[in-house]
Amino acid sequence: RKEVEQDPGPFNVPEGATVAFNCTYSNSASQSFFWYRQDCRKEPKLLMSVYSSGNEDGRFTAQLNRASQYISLLIRDSKLSDSATYLCVVNNNAGNMLTFGGGTRLMVKP
Amino acid sequence: DAGVTQSPTHLIKTRGQHVTLRCSPISGHKSVSWYQQVLGQGPQFIFQYYEKEERGRGNFPDRFSARQFPNYSSELNVNALLLGDSALYLCASSLRRGGSYEQYFGPGTRLTVT
Repeated sequence: RKEVEQDPGPFNVPEGATVAFNCTYSNSASQSFFWYRQDCRKEPKLLMSVYSSGNEDGRFTAQLNRASQYISLLIRDSKLSDSATYLCVVNNNAGNMLTFGGGTRLMVKP
Repeated sequence: DAGVTQSPTHLIKTRGQHVTLRCSPISGHKSVSWYQQVLGQGPQFIFQYYEKEERGRGNFPDRFSARQFPNYSSELNVNALLLGDSALYLCASSLRRGGSYEQYFGPGTRLTVT
């Protein structure tokens, strides 16, 4: 079983739609959680950290459920520019080792 | 401010050869991590360095090695290249060694082994 699991998609949605991605992680000792965005043939870019209380940044909302070991990302009012791969990322220890999911591909259509 | 920089951007090598990849972290960041991303997969952790010391190592063979210099830049070395080493190699820098912190990635070096 992978440490961080995501549905690879693709999720094909029209502009303006709301879309949600889910992610599960296997290590209950995981300490920090992130969503990164990666465009084709580019590096991952930090989208947002995920806090236990949940957090929102504009059209993006992230939630963490430690009991179920589950992380989510909600994108409201999808834009064409949101088309990318979204990577769920977990930090399992006090060091710098990030464990990535395989990514979920989003395609927003006009 | 400059972000994480990596060189070269692209590289083509032959099986059995050796390669050195370079990374300069964001100014003020003391920690550098290396990741390998094979096409269609998420990045996989290779090494982490903090203050010139190795602080973490992923599940990669001894052909992979790295070091960090006094100016916090870093090199990743891969010996006896295999076809399976073809990937995007990403360097990330962060400000703190532990706790909840954020890592910022460079543009990567795309290595092709033929």
